[in-house]
Amino acid sequence: GENVEQHPSTLSVQEGDSAVIKCTYSDSASNYFPWYKQELGKGPQLIIDIRSNVGEKKDQRIAVTLNKTAKHFSLHITETQPEDSAVYFCAAGTGNTPLVFGKGTRLSVIA
Amino acid sequence: DGGITQSPKYLFRKEGQNVTLSCEQNLNHDAMYWYRQDPGQGLRLIYYSQIVNDFQKGDIAEGYSVSREKKESFPLTVTSAQKNPTAFYLCASSPTGDTQYFGPGTRLTVL
Repeated sequence: GENVEQHPSTLSVQEGDSAVIKCTYSDSASNYFPWYKQELGKGPQLIIDIRSNVGEKKDQRIAVTLNKTAKHFSLHITETQPEDSAVYFCAAGTGNTPLVFGKGTRLSVIA
Repeated sequence: DGGITQSPKYLFRKEGQNVTLSCEQNLNHDAMYWYRQDPGQGLRLIYYSQIVNDFQKGDIAEGYSVSREKKESFPLTVTSAQKNPTAFYLCASSPTGDTQYFGPGTRLTVL
């Protein structure tokens, strides 16, 4: 089955700097890669996703890149702000089976 | 969040008791999921249902049971057979089987 590895597990950045979180997946059949943001005590919120027919997608300060050959995808947050502090999860799926999630990255943005 | 509700927000259980967590969605989604979240463990799939009156075990189904009698409802019962039930439980739904939307979660504590 699918296995998703996420790195780093914790990340601290200065306000205004960029943050990058990376994930690798094992199943070449996976074609859908969402990213979720979870604030303390709340459910995860979908922030951006990408499908395998696209190499990059951007939404304001957030972007995701996908390398199907290497089986890895990354989340990029530019101009970080204190409200970006949260736990971020990547996931991979085929649409026929449930998403498989990474273990999460705790991002701290230091003002 | 959006159209997915979970209740209660906090739940306390004595050892040996069964408890049922509620998950309701008004999004007309076919698929629904239950996850367990422990610190540093990410999201682990308990059960999922892709259609009414049908459900499948996830990675950690032992000690849990579900039903899917209505499209909008997917309750989870934590039985006394679950050895370590204290955790944060998340319900999700999906219209297509890939993009998942999460509820706010229920925090279960065993006294």
